Amino acid sequence: DSGVTQTPKHLITATGQRVTLRCSPRSGDLSVYWYQQSLDQGLQFLIQYYNGEERAKGNILERFSAQQFPDLHSELNLSSLELGDSALYFCASSPRGRSGEQYFGPGTRLTVT
Amino acid sequence: GQQVMQIPQYQHVQEGEDFTTYCNSSTTLSNIQWYKQRPGGHPVFLIQLVKSGEVKKQKRLTFQFGEAKKNSSLHITATQTTDVGTYFCAGWRDTNAGKSTFGDGTTLTVKP
Repeated sequence: DSGVTQTPKHLITATGQRVTLRCSPRSGDLSVYWYQQSLDQGLQFLIQYYNGEERAKGNILERFSAQQFPDLHSELNLSSLELGDSALYFCASSPRGRSGEQYFGPGTRLTVT
Repeated sequence: GQQVMQIPQYQHVQEGEDFTTYCNSSTTLSNIQWYKQRPGGHPVFLIQLVKSGEVKKQKRLTFQFGEAKKNSSLHITATQTTDVGTYFCAGWRDTNAGKSTFGDGTTLTVKP
């Protein structure tokens, strides 16, 4: 158990819908990262937040957005869903000053039908 | 943009054989991390390398960072069935930029 929690574990929805994935970082970690992992694919970095502010952006689609709240939990919003958005979405957090040391949550498996 | 290539994509070994995966970056890296993801699981942080030429060991695992800080390797001695999974490297060009690039991973299967 990494200490990072993600909900829900599984999500099945239809094309065109909108979903919200939630992540709570490890206690004391200020940074939250979001990644997408498609079947048999590597990890694609989406976005990072640090203490409530966006810090870095990766290959995140315009249909996707995220935010980090004052209590440091983060949400990833995916809208106008397409079949190709089906994937595992991981959240990770890192200790202050150790950005490379990321602790991943169990992931949310999104299936778009 | 920065690219991190990892080879091989798949490796099948007999239990007891050694295994090595290589990570190559198109640009000089500030540091590099290695992660292991078991089937159905999430990536687990293994180690971070920062210095040019650095070598670190964790039991049967040996991690190396190249002198030019553009490549890295993970070597497992005498593999066990518990070593199965996908090993990812992640390279940072600039830690302050807050963005790392993951390799596509090497999936290791071990035949008992």
